[in-house]
Amino acid sequence: ETGVTQTPRHLVMGMTNKKSLKCEQHLGHNAMYWYKQSAKKPLELMFVYNFKEQTENNSVPSRFSPECPNSSHLFLHLHTLQPEDSALYLCASSQDQSGGPDTQYFGPGTRLTVL
Amino acid sequence: GQSLEQPSEVTAVEGAIVQINCTYQTSGFYGLSWYQQHDGGAPTFLSYTALDGLEETGRFSSFLSRSDSYGYLLLQELQMKDSASYFCAVREGSGSARQLTFGSGTQLTVLP
Repeated sequence: ETGVTQTPRHLVMGMTNKKSLKCEQHLGHNAMYWYKQSAKKPLELMFVYNFKEQTENNSVPSRFSPECPNSSHLFLHLHTLQPEDSALYLCASSQDQSGGPDTQYFGPGTRLTVL
Repeated sequence: GQSLEQPSEVTAVEGAIVQINCTYQTSGFYGLSWYQQHDGGAPTFLSYTALDGLEETGRFSSFLSRSDSYGYLLLQELQMKDSASYFCAVREGSGSARQLTFGSGTQLTVLP
């Protein structure tokens, strides 16, 4: 496997379900991110982890719970979601270093539908 | 916080040149990036510009004017495979991790 992988690629869940999204990066990066992408809206940054420490939580509802056990893996735990949470959830990684481009490498995303 | 504006849609024909503009309002600025996303695919990095002027990379070029808070992506010799969404992005925050704020994206349609 190379790059950034995400599983599952598609997920349908009810509002009372609990599920988890998984992201793995094989690039040796030290920062990982969760984004939400809804139709016709900008990519919304949800969480940032740098060296396994959460550095940002952009006012995300508590029904989304991130977990970063090491610098290669990132999870997003979901519970009691709402239909408006249906979206494409993208994981990304980058090598945080001073100067240079802010290049982030994205996974293929998980298409989530909440019924 | 930061906001970025770009056109929602652009249409052009194969072989043509198209320019996708991006204006931004920021409290700080750490460079303008461009990403491409095909339908059903992941965003992929195209370019990064931190200094004023035009940078060319093959068929794609990126321009930045920091005094005008404006940049654009220039695509030359358009090909059908260039049909995709293009996002501009600016680094947000001064934290240790690189955080990007993205524009809403411009859907480019290339016609035969």
